[in-house]
Amino acid sequence: GNSVTQMEGPVTLSEEAFLTINCTYTATGYPSLFWYVQYPGEGLQLLLKATKADDKGSNKGFEATYRKETTSFHLEKGSVQVSDSAVYFCALSDYNQGGKLIFGQGTELSVKP
Amino acid sequence: KAGVTQTPRYLIKTRGQQVTLSCSPISGHRSVSWYQQTPGQGLQFLFEYFSETQRNKGNFPGRFSGRQFSNSRSEMNVSTLELGDSALYLCASSQTGDADNEQFFGPGTRLTVL
Repeated sequence: GNSVTQMEGPVTLSEEAFLTINCTYTATGYPSLFWYVQYPGEGLQLLLKATKADDKGSNKGFEATYRKETTSFHLEKGSVQVSDSAVYFCALSDYNQGGKLIFGQGTELSVKP
Repeated sequence: KAGVTQTPRYLIKTRGQQVTLSCSPISGHRSVSWYQQTPGQGLQFLFEYFSETQRNKGNFPGRFSGRQFSNSRSEMNVSTLELGDSALYLCASSQTGDADNEQFFGPGTRLTVL
């Protein structure tokens, strides 16, 4: 079945450091890939998405490229801020399963000033 | 445009009771999905409704059920509550429910089973 694996946290970085959170997936069809972010006490917000191979999603300085050959969708940001502290979830949605999202286990990011 | 709203935000129940959670999607959205979030299992898909029909279902026991009304509002019901049902229940809505369609999440209902 479909699944998502992302690097375990927590990840602690200093402000302005480079961020990478690894995400790999297994899918039988042609999934769309997403990164969602959850701030403390809140629901999830879509950070970025990519719907086909080689697409790059980007938002708020975050980027991720859909790599079909390595089945990966790693999240990167060149310079993190304290306000980026949150839990990040990688997810996939398969074309024949409509609105069903399959999530990775989440990676908690803490950015120190 | 108002976001996804969920009521109640917090709920405390005892084992054996039943509970109903409510979700109001963004206006114009026809797809509503429900997820359970726990520290141990993470985010797990419960079910998706589109135009009042259940379109997808996750691997949860029959104690978990849901429905969607003609105005797209959705409810989920959990009967015979168990301690392990304590979780944050998240509702998400999207316009079409297509795989590449953005889902908008509500703040969740925190259910505690004692």
